Amino acid sequence: TQLLEQSPQFLSIQEGENLTVYCNSSSVFSSLQWYRQEPGEGPVLLVTVVTGGEVKKLKRLTFQFGDARKDSSLHITAAQPGDTGLYLCAGGRGGSNYKLTFGKGTLLTVNP
Amino acid sequence: NAGVTQNPKFQVLKTGQSMTLQCAQDMNHNSMYWYRQDPGMGLRLIYYSASEGTTDKGEVPNGYNVSRLNKREFSLRLESAAPSQTSVYFCASSQTGVRHTEAFFGQGTRLTVV
Repeated sequence: TQLLEQSPQFLSIQEGENLTVYCNSSSVFSSLQWYRQEPGEGPVLLVTVVTGGEVKKLKRLTFQFGDARKDSSLHITAAQPGDTGLYLCAGGRGGSNYKLTFGKGTLLTVNP
Repeated sequence: NAGVTQNPKFQVLKTGQSMTLQCAQDMNHNSMYWYRQDPGMGLRLIYYSASEGTTDKGEVPNGYNVSRLNKREFSLRLESAAPSQTSVYFCASSQTGVRHTEAFFGQGTRLTVV
C-alpha cells in the first residue's frame, strides 16, 4: 500500500515556466520531507515541513504543508534546466523507531 | 567526510547466487535503512535498524536478510537472488531521537539478476 501519492508522475516543461507537484496521503505524518534525486545519485534533502499550514521557501522553490498534515506541495517558479530531476516526498512517523515512507516521485524535465 | 558509502556500485548475479551489499556511514548515526528503487515505484523500505543490535522489517523484506554489524555498518544479503530483485539499492542513515531527522543516502548499488 502506497501511503503517499505524488502527482503528476511525469512533467516536461519549458525553461521559465512555473509548476506545482503534489504529495497526498490519507494518513497524518509528523513531518513531510522533499528530496531531489539526480540520475546515478541518491536522494538529497531539500526541505522538511513539520507544522500544519507551514510554508517554506528555498530560492525559487516554495513548499507547503497542508493544515491537516496529510499533504504537501512543491511549487517551482521560473524553472531552469538545472531543476531537472526526480522529486520525492517522504513522510516521517515514529519516535525512537523513526522511519520515512516515500512516494513514487515526480520526474521533472525542464527543456532549454 | 564520506557520508554513506555503498559497495559495490554495480553487480550482475545469476539466478540463485548469493551476495552481500555493504553499507557504512561515518556520521555517527544510530538509524540505518535499506531501500530498493524500481521504475515507477519510488523508494521502498526493505529493512531498517533503529539502533545497533536491532533490525526490523520494512515494506518489502522477503528474500533479504540484514546485519547491523556495528554502529557504522549495515549489510543487506540476498541468499538466493531472483530476477525480481533486479533493482537499485540505496542505503541511508539518520540520527535517532531527532524528530524530523534528515536521511542521508549512499550513491546506490545497481544490481542485475539474470
